[in-house]
Amino acid sequence: DVKVTQSSRYLVKRTGEKVFLECVQDMDHENMFWYRQDPGLGLRLIYFSYDVKMKEKGDIPEGYSVSREKKERFSLILESASTNQTSMYLCASSGSSGAPYEQYFGPGTRLTVT
Amino acid sequence: KNEVEQSPQNLTAQEGEFITINCSYSVGISALHWLQQHPGGGIVSLFMLSSGKKKHGRLIATINIQEKHSSLHITASHPRDSAVYICAVHLFGNEKLTFGTGTRLTIIP
Repeated sequence: DVKVTQSSRYLVKRTGEKVFLECVQDMDHENMFWYRQDPGLGLRLIYFSYDVKMKEKGDIPEGYSVSREKKERFSLILESASTNQTSMYLCASSGSSGAPYEQYFGPGTRLTVT
Repeated sequence: KNEVEQSPQNLTAQEGEFITINCSYSVGISALHWLQQHPGGGIVSLFMLSSGKKKHGRLIATINIQEKHSSLHITASHPRDSAVYICAVHLFGNEKLTFGTGTRLTIIP
């Protein structure tokens, strides 16, 4: 079974803090994704990575950065957390590029910024 | 206008009823996914399809490429089917998914 894990299920941070969300997958997938999910807006792509050290902006990258130093790990960084970044964050991974492969999702991290 | 539209947004039904959730999209796609998300839980992929029909247990997914439309059916619905169902599409030549906003299904015993 593919497993995608996220470092925390719930996180509370203060405005201005630097926040790290970690995602690890165990299936040697090339592609990894970070989404945020908000009521009425559905899932929106923040960043994705198709290889180690490679990254591409998604639909809403402002206020976020990412890091992929190892194939299995993809980190999302909030450089200076703000209240409008309170959301559910979901990580996903999928197989080789060039085909519409199924994405496997982690359990999500519910982040509250106060 | 979203590229992926789902209907209805909310659906409440009695246990045993036949359920249909619809998804329409406005662009060319290489595949469509149906996903399930339970309250507080992660997202599970139910189906990925690019033509025709797929069945898994009480769940059936169909897609009509010409009409840019897909449906998810649940037969003999059960309270454990209560979840948010999300439609997502792969655009041609794109690794990314574009998501609908989801349908919240509640099955009452």
